[in-house]
Amino acid sequence: AAGVIQSPRHLIKEKRETATLKCYPIPRHDTVYWYQQGPGQDPQFLISFYEKMQSDKGSIPDRFSAQQFSDYHSELNMSSLELGDSALYFCASSGYGTRPYEQYFGPGTRLTVT
Amino acid sequence: GEDVEQSLFLSVREGDSSVINCTYTDSSSTYLYWYKQEPGAGLQLLTYIFSNMDMKQDQRLTVLLNKKDKHLSLRIADTQTGDSAIYFCAESPLNQAGTALIFGKGTTLSVSS
Repeated sequence: AAGVIQSPRHLIKEKRETATLKCYPIPRHDTVYWYQQGPGQDPQFLISFYEKMQSDKGSIPDRFSAQQFSDYHSELNMSSLELGDSALYFCASSGYGTRPYEQYFGPGTRLTVT
Repeated sequence: GEDVEQSLFLSVREGDSSVINCTYTDSSSTYLYWYKQEPGAGLQLLTYIFSNMDMKQDQRLTVLLNKKDKHLSLRIADTQTGDSAIYFCAESPLNQAGTALIFGKGTTLSVSS
């Protein structure tokens, strides 16, 4: 079965640079979620989109922005990167009309900021 | 606010049963989930339970929910070395599209042969 696709899988950036992470949800899923997982930490919710509109917002820094496009893929844009942004970034998707909106996670993008 | 707590480590021998415990604070949570994360990998949805249930069984997995005490447990029968991973309990405060999952810190399960 098709899963959530994230690209790139690994990304190395320097401080103050920008990064763009992409997420392609499971086909027919219309809701996308972004989570950040620091080393040895639990995943922390950043932001979600349902039908291309922001649905819920968590601890996302102002330096980060995200959007969902007409084909339901989503991009997380990160600017002025800091060392503390080094983490695993997960995208998850869920489908409309399914209960309980089970979130299926992608493999993650490992971002390293040097 | 919402908070999910888990014990950090559990060590068992192959063939034994494992029980991973979790407590949550948001009494309005409709669904509670268990996710598995292997080293360097993504989060795999194992199972979930609806808040009006007290037990759910799925092959080797049994989920027990005590809503009064806000206590959730995951029992893995006949634990195998391939079950070694971090197990996260998560709650969903609202049953609607786009709602964040609130995760516990995760329990590292170590299975020895």
